[in-house]
Amino acid sequence: NAGVTQTPKFQVLKTGQSMTLQCAQDMNHNSMYWYRQDPGMGLRLIYYSASEGTTDKGEVPNGYNVSRLNKREFSLRLESAAPSQTSVYFCASSERGQPQHFGDGTRLSIL
Amino acid sequence: TQLLEQSPQFLSIQEGENLTVYCNSSSVFSSLQWYRQEPGEGPVLLVTVVTGGEVKKLKRLTFQFGDARKDSSLHITAAQPGDTGLYLCASPRYPKLVFGQGTRLTINP
Repeated sequence: NAGVTQTPKFQVLKTGQSMTLQCAQDMNHNSMYWYRQDPGMGLRLIYYSASEGTTDKGEVPNGYNVSRLNKREFSLRLESAAPSQTSVYFCASSERGQPQHFGDGTRLSIL
Repeated sequence: TQLLEQSPQFLSIQEGENLTVYCNSSSVFSSLQWYRQEPGEGPVLLVTVVTGGEVKKLKRLTFQFGDARKDSSLHITAAQPGDTGLYLCASPRYPKLVFGQGTRLTINP
């Protein structure tokens, strides 16, 4: 019962570097989400994909891009990392009207 | 824009005490979800409340949904160290889920 799997779990980048966070779910869910979590801010939605082939901006999309590779996989890319993007990133999936299932997060530090 | 306000933001109490945390909004919820997040993990759903006035119990945890569906509370009886974590309320705004900022709860032995 893997659920939602995120890789990597930890990453340190230098300002200006790029990287892609990977997310895969094995529950056959249509919708997938990327959040960032900062102290005192709860979870803020970066991008989401309501169904395969569609992506939409969330609350804080600037500096990020996403790809819904197939029904299982939804990746988040930082093209030019900035210190303000230091955060914990969570991927989630769900079916319409159902609660979201979360991965265990990627802890990202930008120096 | 933060649609959900949780209070308190931080709470530290002794084992065996009771506590209540709150989730409020100026908007009516279609339903409300409560999640718990432990260190190093993602949030995990505890309960969903749907009907105004609804009360759900999960062992020592009691969840209430306000009659007007604009507020909810989580009451923990006889708190234990294993209850330590971040408690988040969330309101579905399909296809999205809007979260409160969370209540960080610490139960001291």
